[in-house]
Parts: sequence; C-alpha cells; structure tokens
Amino acid sequence: IVLTQSPGTLSLSPGERATLSCRASQSISSSYFAWYQQKPGQAPRLLIYGASRRATGIPDRFSGSGSGTDFALTITRLEPEDFAVYYCQQYGSSPRTFGQGTKVEIK
Amino acid sequence: QVQLVQSGAEVKRPGSSMKVSCKASGGTFSSFTINWVRQAPGQGLEWMGDIIPDFRTPRYAQKIQGRVTIIADESTNTVHMELRSLRSEDTAIYYCARGGGPGYSGSYMASWGQGTLVTVSS
Repeated sequence: IVLTQSPGTLSLSPGERATLSCRASQSISSSYFAWYQQKPGQAPRLLIYGASRRATGIPDRFSGSGSGTDFALTITRLEPEDFAVYYCQQYGSSPRTFGQGTKVEIK
Repeated sequence: QVQLVQSGAEVKRPGSSMKVSCKASGGTFSSFTINWVRQAPGQGLEWMGDIIPDFRTPRYAQKIQGRVTIIADESTNTVHMELRSLRSEDTAIYYCARGGGPGYSGSYMASWGQGTLVTVSS
C-alpha cells in the first residue's frame, strides 16, 4: 500500500491550525493507521494509532481522523515544539508502509 | 515503561554484513511485534521487517528479502537484525520499534530504540 502525504511542507505560525493529509492507494483494514512525529536527531514518536486514538502522553491538540483511503492529522494550535516532520503509516497489511513525510516549519 | 536499547554504531565495508541488536525491558516481550525501520541520511522512514517472538516467523520487505534476517532471543528479550552484502545505500540509522499492543493488530510503533548509525563505506 502506497501512502502519499500532502503537502510536502507546511509553513505556519505558532497558534495556527495545521491539517496534514495522507492518502492510501488501497483501503486500510480496520483503521490500522498511525501518525508519528520526528524532530531532528531523535527517533520518531507515536502520536496517533487506530486512525484516531491518541498515544499515551500526547496532548489533545493532536487529533487523527479518517478511514478507508483518506486520513488526516490535525494540530489545533501549533506550539513551538510541534514544528517537526510528521509521517503516516499503515499497519493493516504487510509490508508496512510509511508516507514520505510532511515538514511543518515556522513561517 | 517499555525501553528498547540498541547496539552501537558500526562502520562496514561494502559486501560485508552488519548485525544490530535491540534489547527490550519493562514489558511483555513474546507477544508484541518488534519492527525494524531504517532512515537514510535526510530521507524518510523505511520499514524493513518485523517479528513477534511467540510466532517466530519474521516478515521482510521485498526490497531487502534475501539479505536480511531477524531473530528473536526470548532468553535475553533481544531481537537481532542482520543485513548482508552491504552497499553504500544501506548507510542509515536503524531503529527497532515495539508494537503498542499484542499481535499484528497492535503493531503500531509505540516504543522506539535510540537508533544505530551504520555507515557503509570503502
């Protein structure tokens, strides 16, 4: 399953809302879909699993939505620490696949 | 609190083999997926394969099938990943990541190792 993220780069200011999209080439079974955040020099961090479930310790400004082939990650009010690269991933079929990433940068 | 500790950085010659280990602590080992993911310099994340120790049968990405072996050692709660016939394009940070729930349905990557840089260079 190929995952295509858009946009490639999102330039926003702190306090703004960010909406990241991920489209799958085939329907993802049972919403086995996740989002990760990665900052430079760090391992990725799980944000969302099951398409909409926040991982432990993730602030409620992060939310996931979608099903089938179209998924989204929304950050309601960007904090300075949210500027990073975000990856979507499906774990409904093998091989597992990641999107190419969306960079959220400070405008 | 699950913790994954990986082995240290390596420099390898083209054509040689690498082996990275991932020791898990603080949680159930046998029924949770351990994924291997790599990231080439400046690039995105690439899934390499996974294993559930209870099932013993690893699964691999087609791109590296035939060059990779993933083995789980339940006596030490450690998963090893070996990659053979190394090429310069195998230069990457290699991560292990544990599933957040049991079985393949819980194989989203909830806990990550610190990463192991492997450089392939002549």
